[in-house]
Amino acid sequence: AQSVTQLDSQVPVFEEAPVELRCNYSSSVSVYLFWYVQYPNQGLQLLLKYLSGSTLVESINGFEAEFNKSQTSFHLRKPSVHISDTAEYFCAVTHTGGGNKLTFGTGTQLKVEL
Amino acid sequence: GAVVSQHPSRVICKSGTSVKIECRSLDFQATTMFWYRQFPKQSLMLMATSNEGSKATYEQGVEKDKFLINHASLTLSTLTVTSAHPEDSSFYICSARDSGQGWTGSPLHFGNGTRLTVT
Repeated sequence: AQSVTQLDSQVPVFEEAPVELRCNYSSSVSVYLFWYVQYPNQGLQLLLKYLSGSTLVESINGFEAEFNKSQTSFHLRKPSVHISDTAEYFCAVTHTGGGNKLTFGTGTQLKVEL
Repeated sequence: GAVVSQHPSRVICKSGTSVKIECRSLDFQATTMFWYRQFPKQSLMLMATSNEGSKATYEQGVEKDKFLINHASLTLSTLTVTSAHPEDSSFYICSARDSGQGWTGSPLHFGNGTRLTVT
């Protein structure tokens, strides 16, 4: 069995400030990790993913996440946030043979303020 | 990019009636689709895995007779909430994997969800 923990339910931050959204996972096998973003009343959009190789993965809009196997973490970071980054962010995990059956964390609401 | 179209986006129905939600992959084929339910300010809970041409696989605790899933083609899966009750009110989201990409790591593409309100 696998699980995902997102400790922060809400993260308020001022525009242009850095932000980190925390994600820890638990699994007995090798994992694939994802971050999804959800805007109000919409589905989820893939932000970035870790499958293998470089432990630092980046998205096209400035987010990055680092896979840390020893700490079983996959924290999401952005050095300078914008108002448009306000959304719900979900960390998710699956494993080889998981067949895309994702286990989601409870989500973190990022609220960017002026 | 890959698009998943989900309809309707919102539906209000009376208690006891049935509601059908459609999930279509517009520019790719999907042998497998997933149906999730999301409660306010909570995460997505996987309800069932929809397999083209075969029976859906339901997660533990999900009533298969209440949430009927049909995946009759490679681009369409439907979820029918039968005899809906107010407690079925929720946000339902479908997702699909591009069968042509194969696993591993191909991302799920999500629909925009359906807000169901049962009065």
